[in-house]
Amino acid sequence: QKEVEQNSGPLSVPEGAIASLNCTYSDRGSQSFFWYRQYSGKSPELIMFIYSNGDKEDGRFTAQLNKASQYVSLLIRDSQPSDSATYLCAVKSSGGSYIPTFGRGTSLIVHP
Amino acid sequence: NAGVTQTPKFQVLKTGQSMTLQCAQDMNHNSMYWYRQDPGMGLRLIYYSASEGTTDKGEVPNGYNVSRLNKREFSLRLESAAPSQTSVYFCASSEKGGELFFGEGSRLTVL
Repeated sequence: QKEVEQNSGPLSVPEGAIASLNCTYSDRGSQSFFWYRQYSGKSPELIMFIYSNGDKEDGRFTAQLNKASQYVSLLIRDSQPSDSATYLCAVKSSGGSYIPTFGRGTSLIVHP
Repeated sequence: NAGVTQTPKFQVLKTGQSMTLQCAQDMNHNSMYWYRQDPGMGLRLIYYSASEGTTDKGEVPNGYNVSRLNKREFSLRLESAAPSQTSVYFCASSEKGGELFFGEGSRLTVL
């Protein structure tokens, strides 16, 4: 059973702070890692993906991948109230499967 | 560009009734998926279709059937609805395991 674990939160940070969201996965053969943002009552939308060990930056967002330790994280710098949402980690394993496994999501609250 | 379109957006059923959720994508993606999302449970895969003409069970297929009508359309059918199927249903599509594009969701209540 492939598992993706996330702390459900809520994670509460003040405006302007760095929010750090973490995700661990059980399948060591996992190849692709995705972060989706889901606002309340809306559908998930992709904000970051990462395939290789290390950091990947896109604006205020940084995804970090450590395959040896089997975790992937998302850092949000200069957090804004508009970042308040649930963040879903998704992991796709190797072997030709196109099925990503989702974590349960972490609720982030950015307060002014 | 509509992306992924789901209908209906809201539906209330009585126990034992049947219904079909429709999904269509205009991105020429090969893979399509049906998920359900319940509070605290994240997204759980019901069925998926890796390509036109194929369908496979996901994590929670019981009580559901699917049809991949053509490359664009992937429908989800509840033959005899149960209160446990009250949920938000999302259709998604992707190309070769890349980014998933989601529809707006269908909110189903079974009384």
